[in-house]
Amino acid sequence: AQKVTQAQTEISVVEKEDVTLDCVYETRDTTYYLFWYKQPPSGELVFLIRRNSFDEQNEISGRYSWNFQKSTSSFNFTITASQVVDSAVYFCALSWDDYKLSFGAGTTVTVRA
Amino acid sequence: DTGVSQNPRHKITKRGQNVTFRCDPISEHNRLYWYRQTLGQGPEFLTYFQNEAQLEKSRLLSDRFSAERPKGSFSTLEIQRTEQGDSAMYLCASSLRLSGEQYFGPGTRLTVT
Repeated sequence: AQKVTQAQTEISVVEKEDVTLDCVYETRDTTYYLFWYKQPPSGELVFLIRRNSFDEQNEISGRYSWNFQKSTSSFNFTITASQVVDSAVYFCALSWDDYKLSFGAGTTVTVRA
Repeated sequence: DTGVSQNPRHKITKRGQNVTFRCDPISEHNRLYWYRQTLGQGPEFLTYFQNEAQLEKSRLLSDRFSAERPKGSFSTLEIQRTEQGDSAMYLCASSLRLSGEQYFGPGTRLTVT
């Protein structure tokens, strides 16, 4: 069975601090995709990244970076130099069985000015 | 570039009434997904379509839930004889086939009184 665990329920930081969100997953599939989505207070889920299980290269996009380690079944997300606009709920997700998504419970990030 | 739209955005109904929600996917996206999100949780997969074909409905929460996508464009999700436990955010997402990332609409928030 597919499972995504985001152990951190809430994280609060001061602006300009770095914040790392943990994501651990379980799957029996050999090919799968991992995703991160952002859900700001407005409520609409915003796609951030998709990673293929065969591609373990880390990725950086602006202030965002992702660390995928297949050996530990983790796909962690770091926001560098956080800003107030980064305040949101962040979800890690795993595709299964024809690309349906299984989401973690989310981590609420609050960035204080 | 128009995103996924959902109507209505909010619905308040009395227990026992039927409700129907509409989702308009991004044009040319042949996959359409329905999810439910309850407070403090990540979205939970309900059902999905490829064009007009419903590929899975076993995850619909009960036989009171049904979905259609009659011409492979917009989709509707109907809940019959609503119960208070049906109160949640109902999310629609669309994607190009296979591994394409899913783009979510703003959701329909259902409150059953």
